[in-house]
Amino acid sequence: QVQLVQSGAEVKKPGASVKVSCRSSGYTFSSYAITWVRQAPGQGLEWMGWIIPYNDDTHYTQKLQGRVTMTTDTSTSTAYMELRSLRSDDTAVYYCARGKKFSNSFDYWGQGTLVTVSS
Amino acid sequence: DIQMTQSPSSLSASVGDRVTITCQASQDISDYLNWYQHKPGKAPKLLISDASNLEAGVPPRFSGSGSGTDFTFTISSLQPEDIATYYCQQYDNLLVTFGGGTKVEIK
Repeated sequence: QVQLVQSGAEVKKPGASVKVSCRSSGYTFSSYAITWVRQAPGQGLEWMGWIIPYNDDTHYTQKLQGRVTMTTDTSTSTAYMELRSLRSDDTAVYYCARGKKFSNSFDYWGQGTLVTVSS
Repeated sequence: DIQMTQSPSSLSASVGDRVTITCQASQDISDYLNWYQHKPGKAPKLLISDASNLEAGVPPRFSGSGSGTDFTFTISSLQPEDIATYYCQQYDNLLVTFGGGTKVEIK
């Protein structure tokens, strides 16, 4: 069965960087896009960007351009999201999700990773 | 960028009621519109893809309709387990936007 398993919670200081991992299983990793979505406390879902593992093509939301990098390791079927220059408003639960084939929706999701930015 | 206006932001209804949520896009997005259910502490769950396609295993009381700029999500008979926040999501030109969400509660 398809599973996306994310790394554990992180606590970071303002200005630091965080790298969240998302390990996939149960399907051909390189054939499906991976997207990253976050939810700050009390807020809605915010799309961050996506990556196509086959060719590492990436597309990021304008808001995070220059601070976010998404990568993949096809040898371990793992996607990574690195966010730099962390601020308190980056405190959120970060989710990875798989892009559904022949659709623009996201059909399988990781369990979420809480990133807390605090001095 | 395309903006998604979702309404209402919250609603309270009785078990068995028909619940309707709308999402309006700032420009034509064809049928590139999806609906998710999100419960606290859980990952979002895809319910409806491409405006009206019910995902496998999702109860038929959930449905979606619309195209272009105006979309509707309906729960035909609200059940206690449907308490959650619902989000629309659009795709256009490699970019994605979520609506602001609708929190559904039981009256």
